[in-house]
Amino acid sequence: EIVMTQSPATLSVSPGERATLSCRASQSVNSNLAWYQQKPGQAPRLLIYDASTRATGIPARFSGSGSGTEFTLTISSLQPEDFAVYYCQHSHNWPPYTFGQGTKLEIK
Amino acid sequence: QVQLVESGGGLVKPGGSLRLSCAASGFTFSDYYMSWIRQAPGKGLEWLSYVSTSGSYTNYADSVKGRFTISRDNAENSLYLQMNNLRAEDTAVYYCARPIRGLILPHLDWGQGTLVTVSS
Repeated sequence: EIVMTQSPATLSVSPGERATLSCRASQSVNSNLAWYQQKPGQAPRLLIYDASTRATGIPARFSGSGSGTEFTLTISSLQPEDFAVYYCQHSHNWPPYTFGQGTKLEIK
Repeated sequence: QVQLVESGGGLVKPGGSLRLSCAASGFTFSDYYMSWIRQAPGKGLEWLSYVSTSGSYTNYADSVKGRFTISRDNAENSLYLQMNNLRAEDTAVYYCARPIRGLILPHLDWGQGTLVTVSS
């Protein structure tokens, strides 16, 4: 099983600033990596897939990068609606398609 | 528009069974693999299972293998999760999800979830 590790667990950033979230895989997943945003009481929303492709309707301030075992989600200028929990998930080869434990992005 | 509506959750005793349903609309259901994902209260997401377009191929997380069964009825545009021998640690919100077409993942569209509580 591939273990996905996200850091930090909590990130405090001020609105308008840049946020950088990390996700590390225990073995290479190539570019088979997605990022999701989840707000309290809501289902997750797909932001990025294939490590760097924005899903339809996702603002350009969200960007993904990385390949192999190291991945980054960057939010260039934080908006009030961006404060949420973010998860990465791999989709490499075979299951289980594990998620990271999440990074909570909170207002500083 | 795409809609996924889960139902069937509730309170069940340890060792009991429950069948979850996911009613799909707004897309050609039979063209898509479908998955179940769960989230324990206050915890992260856990991928559970997927089923192929025809229902012939399935795969499961180790935590539910042998106890849960995923299935689908393309004529009814419905996805199911039969859960047997339930344990306290199965308590969670259960989501069904649709991927990008032609893929198994990522999970593009999600239902609102249905809560399963396993407790005596």
